[in-house]
Amino acid sequence: KQEVTQIPAALSVPEGENLVLNCSFTDSAIYNLQWFRQDPGKGLTSLLLIQSSQREQTSGRLNASLDKSSGRSTLYIAASQPGDSATYLCAAGGYQKVTFGTGTKLQVIP
Amino acid sequence: GAVVSQHPSRVICKSGTSVKIECRSLDFQATTMFWYRQFPKQSLMLMATSNEGSKATYEQGVEKDKFLINHASLTLSTLTVTSAHPEDSSFYICSAGRTVDNSPLHFGNGTRLTVT
Repeated sequence: KQEVTQIPAALSVPEGENLVLNCSFTDSAIYNLQWFRQDPGKGLTSLLLIQSSQREQTSGRLNASLDKSSGRSTLYIAASQPGDSATYLCAAGGYQKVTFGTGTKLQVIP
Repeated sequence: GAVVSQHPSRVICKSGTSVKIECRSLDFQATTMFWYRQFPKQSLMLMATSNEGSKATYEQGVEKDKFLINHASLTLSTLTVTSAHPEDSSFYICSAGRTVDNSPLHFGNGTRLTVT
């Protein structure tokens, strides 16, 4: 059974800092790894999707990496902004199933 | 723009009543849709996988008679919470993908269910 863990559970940083969110998964037989953000009381916004054959994806200030062999993915946020404050979820995509991580609640302080 | 539409976004119902939540894929056909629930301060937990034209596959611990799933077409899946109780109050989210593997899943905006 796939288990996905995210560290840290919560993170508070001053505006402008670069930060890294970590995601680990126990079963490396995944099809993809996806990062989402969730604002309070809202649905999910897809940020980045890394296919199993890829090692990283970039979108603006976001960069996600994937190391299947070690069961890890990281989400790097450059020059953080208060608008980045949200909960970030990683999700390991298997066959017909996606397993979500426990989430990292990020607060960027102006 | 949104490719998966979920309705309603918020619903309040009385204990004992049933509530239906719809999940529609707007610009693609989804043979498979997924239903998740999220309790406060917890991550999303898969409830069931909805397959068009066949019975849904439920995760362990999810009551199939309580959470009825119907996937009657390639663009619509519904989740009906029957005889709702306060402990069913949660955030329900659906997702859909174009193919069963290796394609990004698109998520609805979720439904906040409150049972009084």
